[in-house]
Amino acid sequence: QITLKESGPTLVKPTQTLTLSCSFSGFSLRTKGETVGWIRQPPGKALEWLALIFWDDNKYYSPSLKSRLTITKDTSKNLVFLTMINMDPVDTATYYCAHFVRVVGSSRYFDSWGQGTLVTVSS
Amino acid sequence: QSALTQPASVSGSPGQTITISCTGTSSDVGGYNYVSWYQQHPGKVPKLMISGVNKRPSGVSNRFSGSKSGNTASLTISGLQAEDEADYYCGSHTSADTYVFGGGTKVTVL
Repeated sequence: QITLKESGPTLVKPTQTLTLSCSFSGFSLRTKGETVGWIRQPPGKALEWLALIFWDDNKYYSPSLKSRLTITKDTSKNLVFLTMINMDPVDTATYYCAHFVRVVGSSRYFDSWGQGTLVTVSS
Repeated sequence: QSALTQPASVSGSPGQTITISCTGTSSDVGGYNYVSWYQQHPGKVPKLMISGVNKRPSGVSNRFSGSKSGNTASLTISGLQAEDEADYYCGSHTSADTYVFGGGTKVTVL
C-alpha cells in the first residue's frame, strides 16, 4: 500500500522561500520506474501540476514555474522535497505530493495522493 | 503549456448519463493515450477514476468510462448517482515530458 504525506510551513511571507517535504512508503525511489510529483490547488481553483522527479534523478517542471522550483529526493529516507523561491500571495494553495505511474507506451497518471498541506502566503 | 479545456459545469438527474469533455492539443491529449481523470469531493483528496484514456482502476465503478477522439477526451458517467456530485479533472502527459491538468468540471446531480 502506497502512502504519502506532505509537511512544511503553513504560513510564509512574500518573497520568502518555501520548502515542503513528502514522506512516502510502499515504494522506493531506488526502484526503476518510480516517480513522485507535486501538484497544487489554490482555494476554490483547479489542480496545477508543478514537478516530477524520477528514480534516476531526472526532473521535470511546469514551464510557467520552472525558474522558481527545485525538486529533490533523499532516497535513503524515502523523502522528496519541493522548494519554491520568491513566494507570492497567489501561491497560496494546498500542495500535494503524489505517486506517479509511468508505464512505457501505456500510461502516465497519479494513483496515490498525500492528504495535502495548505500553505498561506501573507505578510 | 496551457491547461486543458473542460466545461465549468455539467448537471444531470439521477439515473441519467452525462459526459465531460477535455480538449487539448496534439502535444498532449491528441498525441498520446495517456489521459487520466480524477474525482475530487469538497475538501477531499483527488481520486484516480480513469487512466490511459479508458482504464478503470480496481474499485472504480463501471459507471465511469473514458474515451478519446482527436484532441478531445471524454469522461462519461452513466446511471448518475448523488455520490457522483464532485469536481472532475482531466490530466495528460505532454510532448515535453511534463504533465497538465484541465480546469475542472463541477458535476451537479439535480
